[in-house]
Amino acid sequence: GDSVTQMEGPVTLSEEAFLTINCTYTATGYPSLFWYVQYPGEGLQLLLKATKADDKGSNKGFEATYRKETTSFHLEKGSVQVSDSAVYFCALSDNQFYFGTGTSLTVIP
Amino acid sequence: DTAVSQTPKYLVTQMGNDKSIKCEQNLGHDTMYWYKQDSKKFLKIMFSYNNKELIINETVPNRFSPKSPDKAHLNLHINSLELGDSAVYFCASSLYSGEVQFFGPGTRLTVL
Repeated sequence: GDSVTQMEGPVTLSEEAFLTINCTYTATGYPSLFWYVQYPGEGLQLLLKATKADDKGSNKGFEATYRKETTSFHLEKGSVQVSDSAVYFCALSDNQFYFGTGTSLTVIP
Repeated sequence: DTAVSQTPKYLVTQMGNDKSIKCEQNLGHDTMYWYKQDSKKFLKIMFSYNNKELIINETVPNRFSPKSPDKAHLNLHINSLELGDSAVYFCASSLYSGEVQFFGPGTRLTVL
């Protein structure tokens, strides 16, 4: 069945460091891929998405590219801020949503 | 305007009690969901309704019963609460199944 695997956390970075959170997927069809972010005490909110191979989703300085050949959708940001501290979820949708286990990111000043 | 709202935000209760959590969305979506998030942030889908009809019912104790009076509302009733039910419960909605989901702010349930 379909599934998403993302790197385990927690991840701790200094402000302005480069961020990569790895995500790979298994799907039988051609899913859409998503990154959601959950700030402390809040619900999940969509960060970015890509609907087909080679699409790049971007938002708030975050980027992820849909790589069909490596079945990956890694999240990157060039320079993280303290306000980026949150839990990040990779997800896929192939008529049904599948979420990864979440990666906690803490950015220290 | 809040897109997906849940009440209450916090719920503290004793073991064995029955409680309900309400969810409403004003986005005009057809599909609504309930998720349980544990202390390690793992998100598990419990139920999904499409236009008031149950379409996903994961392995959840039958003490949990969703009710959808109309497509804008999906409530969760829990009977005979147990310590292991303590978690944050999220409601979500999407235009249709598989589309981008919009989440509510969550209800933190603590069973003592």
